[in-house]
Amino acid sequence: ETGVTQTPRHLVMGMTNKKSLKCEQHLGHNAMYWYKQSAKKPLELMFVYSLEERVENNSVPSRFSPECPNSSHLFLHLHTLQPEDSALYLCASSQERTGKMNTEAFFGQGTRLTVV
Amino acid sequence: ILNVEQSPQSLHVQEGDSTNFTCSFPSSNFYALHWYRWETAKSPEALFVMTLNGDEKKKGRISATLNTKEGYSYLYIKGSQPEDSATYLCAFNPMGGADGLTFGKGTHLIIQP
Repeated sequence: ETGVTQTPRHLVMGMTNKKSLKCEQHLGHNAMYWYKQSAKKPLELMFVYSLEERVENNSVPSRFSPECPNSSHLFLHLHTLQPEDSALYLCASSQERTGKMNTEAFFGQGTRLTVV
Repeated sequence: ILNVEQSPQSLHVQEGDSTNFTCSFPSSNFYALHWYRWETAKSPEALFVMTLNGDEKKKGRISATLNTKEGYSYLYIKGSQPEDSATYLCAFNPMGGADGLTFGKGTHLIIQP
């Protein structure tokens, strides 16, 4: 248990569905992140929230929509996804002292998403 | 585009042997270099966060070194054990950029009994 919980662990959705991934951190951190891992690719940063404000959108298509209602919760809303969006989606949190990620990140176990 | 390279991609090591692998990263605008261990069906777990050139950190049988001037870091495992089998990821955090980490593809380590 790393203190970062993601639900669901597995998700199968059709291309016309709308679903949401949820992440909750119990570590008192002030920054949260979404990463994506596709087959044979490195972990790719998608979104960064610092103090509940989005500070980075790493050229992610608008069919992915993040939401950070408070410092403990992070959502990734999904709609009209494509089969190539099938991947492992990881949430992470950290404590940023100076606005830079010089402290370790704590990761959830991820949501394995399959788009059919 | 930041480029973080790890080598080798995969590695088979006999139990009891020592091993090491490499991470290379941009030498300009360096801020921090992270190492994570990712076991199958688990979350990536931080091993080290390194910020200073010449840093050397150790956790049990695992250690890491950092050369920010030439842009590389080594991870060493002494006396490998089966529980060391995992994917080892390094991640780069640049100075002046946006927050978040740029990861390498990882080194997949298998310890053979």
